[in-house]
Amino acid sequence: DIQLTQSPSFLSASVGDRVTITCRASQGISSYLAWYQQKPGKAPKLLIYAASTLQSGVPSRFSGSGSGTEFTLTISSLQPEDFATYYCQQLNSYPRTFGGGTKVEIK
Amino acid sequence: EVQLVESGGGLVKPGGSLRLSCAASGFTFSSYSMNWVRQAPGKGLEWVSSISSSSSYIYYADSVKGRFTISRDNAKNSLYLQMNSLRAEDTAVYYCARDWPSPPIAAAGDYYYYGMDVWGQGTTVTVSS
Repeated sequence: DIQLTQSPSFLSASVGDRVTITCRASQGISSYLAWYQQKPGKAPKLLIYAASTLQSGVPSRFSGSGSGTEFTLTISSLQPEDFATYYCQQLNSYPRTFGGGTKVEIK
Repeated sequence: EVQLVESGGGLVKPGGSLRLSCAASGFTFSSYSMNWVRQAPGKGLEWVSSISSSSSYIYYADSVKGRFTISRDNAKNSLYLQMNSLRAEDTAVYYCARDWPSPPIAAAGDYYYYGMDVWGQGTTVTVSS
């Protein structure tokens, strides 16, 4: 099974900060990686697919990069509505797996 | 409006059974592969099971294999999860989610999805005596 390791698991940042979250896969997954945002009590929301393509309606301050085993999600200028938990997910093979999550909190 | 609505959650004793349902609307349900994803209290997301559009391909997480059964009724635009031999560790919010795109991407002799683009609001399952 493919394991996804996200880092950091928690980060504290201020509005306007640039934030980077890393997701490492235990084996190559090409670009079959998605990023989701989840706010408390809500369902996850697809932000980025195919490692670097922004889902329709997602603000351009979000970006993704990487392929193979190392991926990043970057928020160029953190906004109040971005404080949430972010998950990566691999769709290269079954069982599908999620990373452990990164909680972004207000400093 | 594209929508998924889960139902059927509740409190059940260890060893008991429960059947979750997910009603789809606003899109051609029969064209999409579907999933169940769960989230234990205070924990991360865990993929549970997937079923292809025609039910030809079904996959399970090891943690539920042999106990849970995913199914769908395309005539009723509905997805199901039959959960048997429930354990305390199955306590979670259960989400149904749509695979995207439809059809999947063909590459290197296989088929791939980009992500889960539509999610329900979740239904809570609590396994406790």
